[in-house]
Amino acid sequence: DAGVTQSPTHLIKTRGQHVTLRCSPISGHKSVSWYQQVLGQGPQFIFQYYEKEERGRGNFPDRFSARQFPNYSSELNVNALLLGDSALYLCASSLGTGKETQYFGPGTRLLVL
Amino acid sequence: GDSVTQMEGPVTLSEEACLTINCTYTATGYPSLFWYVQYPGEGLQLLLKATKADDKGSNKGFEATYRKETTSFHLEKGSVQVSDSAVYFCALSDMIKAAGNKLTFGGGTRVLVKP
Repeated sequence: DAGVTQSPTHLIKTRGQHVTLRCSPISGHKSVSWYQQVLGQGPQFIFQYYEKEERGRGNFPDRFSARQFPNYSSELNVNALLLGDSALYLCASSLGTGKETQYFGPGTRLLVL
Repeated sequence: GDSVTQMEGPVTLSEEACLTINCTYTATGYPSLFWYVQYPGEGLQLLLKATKADDKGSNKGFEATYRKETTSFHLEKGSVQVSDSAVYFCALSDMIKAAGNKLTFGGGTRVLVKP
């Protein structure tokens, strides 16, 4: 079975632009979470979605938004990009929203110039 | 709020040496605890987990025991290999709102194993 997939793998944008990152969860998983990992640091929680509803949001500005589709795939959108948004964006899927294990994709590396 | 503190690296070892990475946590509830590993240029892979006090997680020669009394989840391996070179993250999962299980990560510990 395929694991969590993310696209694109790498992305270069300039300040002020908008970006959309995509994630497909493991088959059968209904929950998707997004994390931002700045170089040299641990991942920081951005959002969790379950059954197309937002179930949690981390301490990120409103420039960050996400949604989940009926097939449980998800998009993360970031508007008005800043240099500080440069990071590895990780998607994780889990069966539900209890204490199940979250399985991570390979990430999308975003560079903002 | 929840937090995870782990020893800073880098940790440099010779092959077949013993590895210990300390991890302590603060949580309001009864979290599950995890160790994830990240190889260069890749995402995170689950290494092991423990869901309640005194549980021991183990995988690929790595072990960690959930110690509620000391709020710790130290990672150990008796004999490391060059292929164990990676960044290791300790994390906890606790409930958010009525449903939700965000992971809170430590800062990561880089381990370098030399032949």
